[in-house]
Amino acid sequence: DTAVSQTPKYLVTQMGNDKSIKCEQNLGHDTMYWYKQDSKKFLKIMFSYNNKELIINETVPNRFSPKSPDKAHLNLHINSLELGDSAVYFCASSQDLGNRNTEAFFGQGTRLTVV
Amino acid sequence: RKEVEQDPGPFNVPEGATVAFNCTYSNSASQSFFWYRQDCRKEPKLLMSVYSSGNEDGRFTAQLNRASQYISLLIRDSKLSDSATYLCVVINQAGTALIFGKGTTLSVSS
Repeated sequence: DTAVSQTPKYLVTQMGNDKSIKCEQNLGHDTMYWYKQDSKKFLKIMFSYNNKELIINETVPNRFSPKSPDKAHLNLHINSLELGDSAVYFCASSQDLGNRNTEAFFGQGTRLTVV
Repeated sequence: RKEVEQDPGPFNVPEGATVAFNCTYSNSASQSFFWYRQDCRKEPKLLMSVYSSGNEDGRFTAQLNRASQYISLLIRDSKLSDSATYLCVVINQAGTALIFGKGTTLSVSS
């Protein structure tokens, strides 16, 4: 069973469209994240949710809206897609990061290409 | 100053070589440190946590120097399968997210 699964794996869409990426974890973790990995391979935190509540919202355009219907799911909706949104988006989950042994598990990534 | 800085490499080494990666972090209050590994077109995966006393896992040794805010990873007897990007990771001060360095790329050749 996949621990963190996100769909779709690939997404090609035109500028201006609205798209969603879904993420689910079956690890019973309390915290879920969205990261963006750009063309230079830099992984940057976008959002962090703990028990369905938003706890981090980095400097991300408000075209990006996360939604957590329950603690096992964290979806990402993107409005009015722009060329610069092209990247790989990773969902991840972990238990409380206060424990130095906490491991974050990542989904396989969604490769978004905006044309 | 970036929160986590790494030499991006690439490091190109022959099989059997010993290679060391370095990382510095800016927040002296950081408490938890890790090395993650990311293979090409795959997701990052935890390689090892980094403890103040230093720790070893087989051919991999991680060290932490809090005074210098410096983390290192040593790989001995490199294998072809070690070829990947190694990501230095620090938990942010609020304990709410993992902050990644840009990664160091290692290529091991036969």
